[in-house]
Amino acid sequence: SQQGEEDPQALSIQEGENATMNCSYKTSINNLQWYRQNSGRGLVHLILIRSNEREKHSGRLRVTLDTSKKSSSLLITASRAADTASYFCATPVSNDYKLSFGAGTTVTVRA
Amino acid sequence: ETGVTQTPRHLVMGMTNKKSLKCEQHLGHNAMYWYKQSAKKPLELMFVYSLEERVENNSVPSRFSPECPNSSHLFLHLHTLQPEDSALYLCASSQGVAGDTQYFGPGTRLTVL
Repeated sequence: SQQGEEDPQALSIQEGENATMNCSYKTSINNLQWYRQNSGRGLVHLILIRSNEREKHSGRLRVTLDTSKKSSSLLITASRAADTASYFCATPVSNDYKLSFGAGTTVTVRA
Repeated sequence: ETGVTQTPRHLVMGMTNKKSLKCEQHLGHNAMYWYKQSAKKPLELMFVYSLEERVENNSVPSRFSPECPNSSHLFLHLHTLQPEDSALYLCASSQGVAGDTQYFGPGTRLTVL
């Protein structure tokens, strides 16, 4: 069953602007992951944030995690056309190695 | 390159055909997965293999038949598919540790006529 839900479903921004998307989940987790998918391709892992972390950076990406609200956000700063993709959050299923993926946020960066 | 390859990248087949999708991982991982991704839907987990044993089959119709001959290879055998089976089929692998990152192949775009 799907645990994470991204918001918004779609986002269109101008090149150079920041893009923020959110993920909400339902049960306790030990980590939360964000993935990117370019059109018709496989998913690429972007960043993993553990439950004892509140914020994590990787290049132009900033991820926050609020376990009390069961939510996470992904911020892409200074967006580029190449950032056009769908972004998914994923959470582990119980103590299993399976992941539950949300439906994704489609980001379009206009030149 | 994620270390996971899939072939073919595109496949068109009739409803009476039999075909197979192949996945290979070069990462030394212990777990492999098949996902189905249809338009406007979340990823659907189809099968999970851990150390070559199937550990999950998410109510997938029998016209999809997985095979994992060793920890590096995973197949999805297809027969008598329906048009609604047209989708992107993604293979992934992971270490097999709880909550681990998954590494995805580029996918096979399947069209059933």
